[in-house]
Amino acid sequence: DQQVKQNSPSLSVQEGRISILNCDYTNSMFDYFLWYKKYPAEGPTFLISISSIKDKNEDGRFTVFLNKSAKHLSLHIVPSPPGDSAVYFCAAGKGGGADGLTFGKGTHLIIQP
Amino acid sequence: NAGVTQTPKFRVLKTGQSMTLLCAQDMNHEYMYWYRQDPGMGLRLIHYSVGEGTTAKGEVPDGYNVSRLKKQNFLLGLESAAPSQTSVYFCASSGDYGRSNQPQHFGDGTRLSIL
Repeated sequence: DQQVKQNSPSLSVQEGRISILNCDYTNSMFDYFLWYKKYPAEGPTFLISISSIKDKNEDGRFTVFLNKSAKHLSLHIVPSPPGDSAVYFCAAGKGGGADGLTFGKGTHLIIQP
Repeated sequence: NAGVTQTPKFRVLKTGQSMTLLCAQDMNHEYMYWYRQDPGMGLRLIHYSVGEGTTAKGEVPDGYNVSRLKKQNFLLGLESAAPSQTSVYFCASSGDYGRSNQPQHFGDGTRLSIL
């Protein structure tokens, strides 16, 4: 049973436009949510996180929105240069993630010139 | 600025062989984790450690053992490798969760093939 779901395996966005990636979760015990970016043959790189007590967090080009009632979060990337083409993983944890994270399957973001 | 270092980067084993994957972090982190990633899947937690000398099972621990004899190192062992353990293995570490949530920082992975 997938507790963290990224329902779009891929997303194509024109260069310079906003990219919006979505993630749903089922476990109401999750209290910490993170987004990671991954290039081929590299490890995931941390982008941004949000605690369940907040509904928005911004860091530079990245903004994460959390809707607890809908068990939904989204990552907004503005703007989207070609270097943003990568696989983006949504992850969630309980107790701040101390006993590990549960990952979605990822969304492959393709930035088109 | 090494962060999390995994060795080896690639390895091919025969069924039944054993090996140990090494993870080292230089950030003085308390928490360390081993995940595996299979094609089309997200990362799944194998084992983790909340401090030197302690380990705990994750979501998919069967067939693996771990040890954390030193704070900076976390070892993942395969006693008798099976083709189902062909995967990319990622190690991660994070700081003290006591005061605030801590993101995990990942190594670049070990690609393991079991023939």
